[in-house]
Amino acid sequence: GDSVTQKQGQVTLSEDDFLFINCTYSTTTYPTLFWYVQYPGQGPQLLLKVTTANNKGISRGFEATYDKGTTSFHLQKASVQESDSAVYFCALANYNQGKLIFGQGTKLSIKP
Amino acid sequence: EAAVTQSPRNKVTVTGGNVTLSCRQTNSHNYMYWYRQDTGHGLRLIHYSYGAGNLQIGDVPDGYKATRTTQEDFFLLLELASPSQTSLYFCASSETGGTSQNTLYFGAGTRLSVL
Repeated sequence: GDSVTQKQGQVTLSEDDFLFINCTYSTTTYPTLFWYVQYPGQGPQLLLKVTTANNKGISRGFEATYDKGTTSFHLQKASVQESDSAVYFCALANYNQGKLIFGQGTKLSIKP
Repeated sequence: EAAVTQSPRNKVTVTGGNVTLSCRQTNSHNYMYWYRQDTGHGLRLIHYSYGAGNLQIGDVPDGYKATRTTQEDFFLLLELASPSQTSLYFCASSETGGTSQNTLYFGAGTRLSVL
């Protein structure tokens, strides 16, 4: 079945560092991929979406692109701030079953 | 702005206890979901529904029941709670299912401890 994998459980950076979080996926259909962000004490919220039509999504300074050849989907930001401290989840839409499949999450900590 | 409200926010029970988690959405969304969040596992889908009276089995359904009584209300039931069900539970809603238009709106979560 469809699956999503995030191997980076935790990332610690300093302010103004470059962020890169990777995600790999497996599906038999055309993928629609999402990044959700969860700030402390809150539920996850949509950060951005990428489809096969656009190959790239941009929101709030974050950029996500997917590579069909390597079935990978990564999130990046040029210069992180302390306010970006959160857990980031990638997710894959399963058309047939009407649900999203989430990765394990990557906790981003920013040192001031 | 989409609104999903969960209650209670925190719950402590004992092994074998009976627990009901409640979720209400005021977005007129068709789909509602129950997820559990555990470190190292991310968000795992327990049950979901695409309308009142409908129930779909998720990826980790064992030990859980769910019921969708109205379009707004979705309940998660743990009839014989076990310590392995200690977790952070999230309810979410979306207008459609797993399509390219799908955006999930999450509640603030319920932290459940089973002693």
